Amino acid sequence: AQKITQTQPGMFVQEKEAVTLDCTYDTSDPSYGLFWYKQPSSGEMIFLIYQGSYDQQNATEGRYSLNFQKARKSANLVISASQLGDSAMYFCAMREGLTGFQKLVFGTGTRLLVSP
Amino acid sequence: DTGVSQDPRHKITKRGQNVTFRCDPISEHNRLYWYRQTLGQGPEFLTYFQNEAQLEKSRLLSDRFSAERPKGSFSTLEIQRTEQGDSAMYLCASSLHGKPGPPLGAGFQETQYFGPGTRLLVL
Repeated sequence: AQKITQTQPGMFVQEKEAVTLDCTYDTSDPSYGLFWYKQPSSGEMIFLIYQGSYDQQNATEGRYSLNFQKARKSANLVISASQLGDSAMYFCAMREGLTGFQKLVFGTGTRLLVSP
Repeated sequence: DTGVSQDPRHKITKRGQNVTFRCDPISEHNRLYWYRQTLGQGPEFLTYFQNEAQLEKSRLLSDRFSAERPKGSFSTLEIQRTEQGDSAMYLCASSLHGKPGPPLGAGFQETQYFGPGTRLLVL
């Protein structure tokens, strides 16, 4: 069963607008972590933001925030005030368990294109 | 503070040849991971090390693949008798396991930091 689902293959947004990238996940483990990474055309995966399953508040990192809805098993990434440099692939990933083996399971990604 | 580095960045080889990739993690990181990413997909886990011990291998890692981390620092991933299906981006990541921080269940986080990847093309 697919553990991470990203249903938007591509998204378009105008510069300075906000955009939401969707991510739903599936796990029976009560302890897990959710990550978002950005992958520009150069290929490197850049860590953006983390949300733990027990975190009471939605994570925020600068222009990035995570809309964490635990009951719906969704962890959507919100990018505010989009910039041209935000154009890239975005991957949602999950790690089950808080300790021990830390394998990340990734979704198929969403390609974001920011237009002037 | 340097990030994760990988070498080479690109490799073109003929089917049947052996290739070796190197990964240098962030210096204080004790865990090192290898992932493979094919076109249009997210990265898939291959194997990981804690210090020099290889603790987990994916079923994706056929017997043609071998990884080492001999001194608990850099790691190598070798593919023997390459096949066209091996063409992919090979990503290395590292993390610091056991870092003091918030108690478990209160935002404990072990972030994997990725290198730029090695793009392999098998002709």
